[in-house]
Amino acid sequence: GAGVSQSPSNKVTEKGKDVELRCDPISGHTALYWYRQSLGQGLEFLIYFQGNSAPDKSGLPSDRFSAERTGGSVSTLTIQRTQQEDSAVYLCASSFDIAGGDTDTQYFGPGTRLTVL
Amino acid sequence: QKEVEQNSGPLSVPEGAIASLNCTYSDRGSQSFFWYRQYSGKSPELIMFIYSNGDKEDGRFTAQLNKASQYVSLLIRDSQPSDSATYLCAVNTGYSTLTFGKGTMLLVSP
Repeated sequence: GAGVSQSPSNKVTEKGKDVELRCDPISGHTALYWYRQSLGQGLEFLIYFQGNSAPDKSGLPSDRFSAERTGGSVSTLTIQRTQQEDSAVYLCASSFDIAGGDTDTQYFGPGTRLTVL
Repeated sequence: QKEVEQNSGPLSVPEGAIASLNCTYSDRGSQSFFWYRQYSGKSPELIMFIYSNGDKEDGRFTAQLNKASQYVSLLIRDSQPSDSATYLCAVNTGYSTLTFGKGTMLLVSP
C-alpha cells in the first residue's frame, strides 16, 4: 500500500508569513507524529496524535506552531509568523497504534523542506 | 531528560567488513528500540527494531540489546558502499514517542 505522503515537498516563504504543511498517513494507522530536522541535526519531536487528539504537544517550540488532525487521517502543521530559525525539514511519521510491540513502529514520509527567507 | 547518545562518526570501514554502530540511552524504562537509516537528503527508513535482550538478526543486519547496560548496537556484515548513510538509533521512552540520537555517519569505501 501507499506510504506516508507529505505536501508540499518544498516550501519557500518570507519571514512573517504563515505556512501550512500536510501529512497523509498510511491507511489504517491511528498514530501520527511530527518531527523536524535542522541541517546536520537530529530529529526533534514536535507533536503526536492518537486518532484526532494530541496527548503530547510538549515538543512544539512556541505558540506559533499548531497542528490538527481530522477524521483520524490527514494532519496539518501550521506555523504562524515564520522566522528564519523555523527553516528545517519537517517530517511526518505514522504507526498502526501505540500499544507497543511492532505495532508502534513509525514509518516516515519524505518530508517538507521549509526555507524562510 | 531522556537522552540517546551516538558517536557522530564518521565511521569508515572497507567494503566487506563488519560495521558496528553503538547507542546508549538514559531512560531505564525504555521498552523498544529502533534503528533507522537516513541517506543524505532523504527521510529515515526503518532497518529493524528490537524489544528483548539479546540479538536479533535480519539478513546482513544484527541488532543487539543489553537493557542492564542501557546499550543497543547494530552490526552490518559484509558492508557495501550502498550502506553509506547516517544511522539513527531511536528509543521509545513512553507514550509511543521516539527519542532519536543524532546519528552515526557510516562510510563504506570500495
